[in-house]
Amino acid sequence: QKEVEQNSGPLSVPEGAIASLNCTYSDRGSQSFFWYRQYSGKSPELIMSIYSNGDKEDGRFTAQLNKASQYVSLLIRDSQPSDSATYLCAACPMDTGRRALTFGSGTRLQVQP
Amino acid sequence: ETGVTQSPTHLIKTRGQQVTLRCSSQSGHNTVSWYQQALGQGPQFIFQYYREEENGRGNFPPRFSGLQFPNYSSELNVNALELDDSALYLCASSLAGLRDASYEQYFGPGTRLTVT
Repeated sequence: QKEVEQNSGPLSVPEGAIASLNCTYSDRGSQSFFWYRQYSGKSPELIMSIYSNGDKEDGRFTAQLNKASQYVSLLIRDSQPSDSATYLCAACPMDTGRRALTFGSGTRLQVQP
Repeated sequence: ETGVTQSPTHLIKTRGQQVTLRCSSQSGHNTVSWYQQALGQGPQFIFQYYREEENGRGNFPPRFSGLQFPNYSSELNVNALELDDSALYLCASSLAGLRDASYEQYFGPGTRLTVT
């Protein structure tokens, strides 16, 4: 069973702090990784993708990938109450062109004003 | 807004009935994937369509079927509905091809299906 694991939370951080969200995956064939944000009652929204080991920064968001440890993380700097949502980690194998995403169950983030 | 649209927004069906959900992909995208999201869970891959053919299937029974049309829009059909089919059904559009560099999938707003 190819799995993506996330701590369900809730992760509570004060406004302005750094929120750190973590994800591990079991399929070593996974090559592409994504972070989605999902507000309650809404569909997932893609916020970051990462394909290579190391860090990738986009505004207040930094994704980190360590394929040797099978570990992906998302850092949110200067957290805002509007960042309160469930964050889904997804992995995608690079095989035969099929791009089926395997999702974790998500981590609920609460940013306290 | 991703440019991916789905209809209907909400649907209530009775156990044993059949349902068809529709999705229009983002302009320029040629691949549609369908996911089922139960409450409190991450989306689960149902199947993917690329150039009007099924291009991979998750662990769902044959009563879940689909189509992709020449304009890349897609349908998800579910026969013999069961109570456990109640979920948010999401379609995601992406671009696949020889030189595409992105595996990014963009979700539509979803269809909330309730089976009673």
